Amino acid sequence: DAGVTQSPTHLIKTRGQHVTLRCSPISGHKSVSWYQQVLGQGPQFIFQYYEKEERGRGNFPDRFSARQFPNYSSELNVNALLLGDSALYLCASSHTGGAGNTIYFGEGSWLTVV
Amino acid sequence: QKEVEQNSGPLSVPEGAIASLNCTYSDRGSQSFFWYRQYSGKSPELIMFIYSNGDKEDGRFTAQLNKASQYVSLLIRDSQPSDSATYLCAVNTRDNAGNMLTFGGGTRLMVKP
Repeated sequence: DAGVTQSPTHLIKTRGQHVTLRCSPISGHKSVSWYQQVLGQGPQFIFQYYEKEERGRGNFPDRFSARQFPNYSSELNVNALLLGDSALYLCASSHTGGAGNTIYFGEGSWLTVV
Repeated sequence: QKEVEQNSGPLSVPEGAIASLNCTYSDRGSQSFFWYRQYSGKSPELIMFIYSNGDKEDGRFTAQLNKASQYVSLLIRDSQPSDSATYLCAVNTRDNAGNMLTFGGGTRLMVKP
């Protein structure tokens, strides 16, 4: 079975632009979460979606938004990009939305804002 | 604010030795605990998870959990150069934020041949 797939793998954007990152969870998994990992730090939680509903939101500005589609894939959108948004964006997949679920990460999308 | 603390390292051990990685967490409501390995330029890879107090072994890896002390550790036996990576401790709590993992900053492990 395929793991968590993310696209694009690398991208470069200019300050003020918008970016959309995409994620397909592991087959059978209904929960998708997004994390931001800045170089040298641990991942920071951005959003969790389960059954197409937002279940959690981390401490990120409203420039960050996400959604989950009927096939459980997800998009993360970031508007008005800042230099500080440069990071590895990780999508994580789990079977359900509960705290006891094992969470698997995709390969990530490397975003550079110049 | 829920916190997870790890020594950033680097932790240097000789090949064949036992590497001991430690993590403390602040939220007593934490229910599940994960160790991820992250090679430079790659995404985190799940190594082990533990839910109950005590030890859990999987091959060369042993996770230890002590909820009273709010402490979780990872032991790597017979360390190999290929184990050189950053090890991330993550804690999952059930709260309004849903299925959220809180990560420590990671410990960089270097295994020297």
